[in-house]
This record gives sequence, structure tokens and C-alpha cells, in this order.
Amino acid sequence: GAGVSQSPRYKVAKRGQDVALRCDPISGHVSLFWYQQALGQGPEFLTYFQNEAQLDKSGLPSDRFFAERPEGSVSTLKIQRTQQEDSAVYLCASSTRVPTDTQYFGPGTRLTVL
Amino acid sequence: AQTVTQSQPEMSVQEAETVTLSCTYDTSESDYYLFWYKQPPSRQMILVIRQEAYKQQNATENRFSVNFQKAAKSFSLKISDSQLGDAAMYFCAYRAGGGADGLTFGKGTHLIIQP
Repeated sequence: GAGVSQSPRYKVAKRGQDVALRCDPISGHVSLFWYQQALGQGPEFLTYFQNEAQLDKSGLPSDRFFAERPEGSVSTLKIQRTQQEDSAVYLCASSTRVPTDTQYFGPGTRLTVL
Repeated sequence: AQTVTQSQPEMSVQEAETVTLSCTYDTSESDYYLFWYKQPPSRQMILVIRQEAYKQQNATENRFSVNFQKAAKSFSLKISDSQLGDAAMYFCAYRAGGGADGLTFGKGTHLIIQP
């Protein structure tokens, strides 16, 4: 079956613009995670959903970051009033029933804020 | 808070040789999971191997095996018979058991395979 997909793959935004990044998890996967990966670093956890419920958003760096998964499938990560420090690769991962199951990652969206 | 440390920013190995990537972690939990992920230049993170902390036996997946030393909080990855396709960034990751936490990653080791 298809893996995790993300769109767009690349996004260039001017500072101050809002952006929306999309994640399509593997069909049937209940858990969905967002990570931020700065250049040359390991990914850092942003937020976690189980179905449509956002159970952990402790990693979101500011209130400009917002994530949703209204129907328990596709998720969108929104960044308002983007700043240069938001430039990074945003990775989405999904897993089956429980968070301890293996997470499968998408290809990521590379965001560049000018 | 949990931390994961990869002390080798870069490693190089001759094709067909064996290489070991190091990882240490810090946690007060007794129930947790450890992972090695591979990230080729295409960027998609791929699971290499997974270890449950409650299992004493080291995990093995074909040419990939781990040396899990729970008391020392060490989790190294051994790649045998290295192949050109093994060239990538390798990330060690930790996840607490039972909770709803994301993975905590190390900074990664860039593995170079010399032909």
C-alpha cells in the first residue's frame, strides 16, 4: 500500500506569510506525528494525534504553529506569520493503533522562509 | 527529559567491511523503545531496526544488528558487509513506553561508504 505522503514537497514563503503543510498518513493508521528537522539536526517532535484528538502539542514552538486532523485521517500543519527561524524540513509520521508501534515517515516538506 | 547522544558526526567504512555507530541515551523510565532510522539524501526516514527495552536479546535485521546495554544506556548499531546503498544519515531514537510521546532523536551520524 501507499506510504505516508506530504505536500507540497517544497515551499518558499516570504516572512510574514501563512503556510499550510499537508500530511496523508498510511490508510488505517490511527496515530499521526509531526516533527521539525532543522538543517544538520535530528527531527524534533512537534505534536501528536490519535484519530482526530490532538493528545500532545508540547513541542509546538509558538502559538503561530497550529495543527489539525479534523476527520482522523489527513492532517494539516499551519504556520502563521512565518519567520526565518521556521525554515526547516517538516516531517509527518504515522503508526497503527498505539503510539509505541513503529512510526513510518513521509518524505517531508522543506520550508524556506525568505 | 530524555536525551539521545550520537557522538560520531561522521563515519567512513570500506565497502564490505563492518562499521559500528554509537548511541547513548538518558532516561529514568524502565519501559521504553529504541530505534535506528536511516535517512538517505532523498530525505525519507526509513526504520532500520527496533529494540524493546524489556527484551534482553539484541535485535537483528539481516546485516544490521544492535548491541543494547541497558545498564550503560548504550544502543549501538552494527552494519556488516557494508554496501554503497547504506550511505546515509543514521539517527538513533528513543521513545518512552505507554505514553503518547513522540520520538526523541539524536543529531545523527553521516555514514560514508568507500568503494
